[in-house]
Amino acid sequence: LAKTTQPISMDSYEGQEVNITCSHNNIATNDYITWYQQFPSQGPRFIIQGYKTKVTNEVASLFIPADRKSSTLSLPRVSLSDTAVYYCLVGDESSYKLIFGSGTRLLVRP
Amino acid sequence: GAGVSQSPSNKVTEKGKDVELRCDPISGHTALYWYRQRLGQGLEFLIYFQGNSAPDKSGLPSDRFSAERTGESVSTLTIQRTQQEDSAVYLCASSLVAGAPREQYFGPGTRLTVT
Repeated sequence: LAKTTQPISMDSYEGQEVNITCSHNNIATNDYITWYQQFPSQGPRFIIQGYKTKVTNEVASLFIPADRKSSTLSLPRVSLSDTAVYYCLVGDESSYKLIFGSGTRLLVRP
Repeated sequence: GAGVSQSPSNKVTEKGKDVELRCDPISGHTALYWYRQRLGQGLEFLIYFQGNSAPDKSGLPSDRFSAERTGESVSTLTIQRTQQEDSAVYLCASSLVAGAPREQYFGPGTRLTVT
């Protein structure tokens, strides 16, 4: 399973777009990139997953360059309720053992 | 139920006592997982069940930790002779089938404090 590196923390203000970048230099051909969100006192929840190029859903967008050695989670117009820890995970579709790093702690200020 | 539930939500115990943590997965989910999360850190994988068998117990920290699952339902994680380093949040997740990283649904966790 590829190791991931993310910033420890980020600050933003309501209404701004937030981009969190994750490095995964050793990503394997069969690996997908998955992002989870965790609010205080809750378990993590799935946000978005991608393999290459761009994926968008109602919550976020995920940008993956051609070499797939990094990925960027984009949260449009954040609100206070987006304050959470965001985890980037890399693994193939048979990965049942999710490997979480320390994540990025996002603080959204009024 | 609508999601994964865990009980108790909080448990304070004295060093040396045994504790049992319970997980009720989403109905119909065949796979169940236990993770541990220490304060300010990411999740550590402990054990995975497919049905009531555990193909992967590789993450259990020591022989004081054990887990079982009844059919494709409730699971209990037991920690014997608790130590202060066992203090953490213990999270359970379930999925319809094993694998598929996007499909693990987590419970709220049990916060264990060993004094």
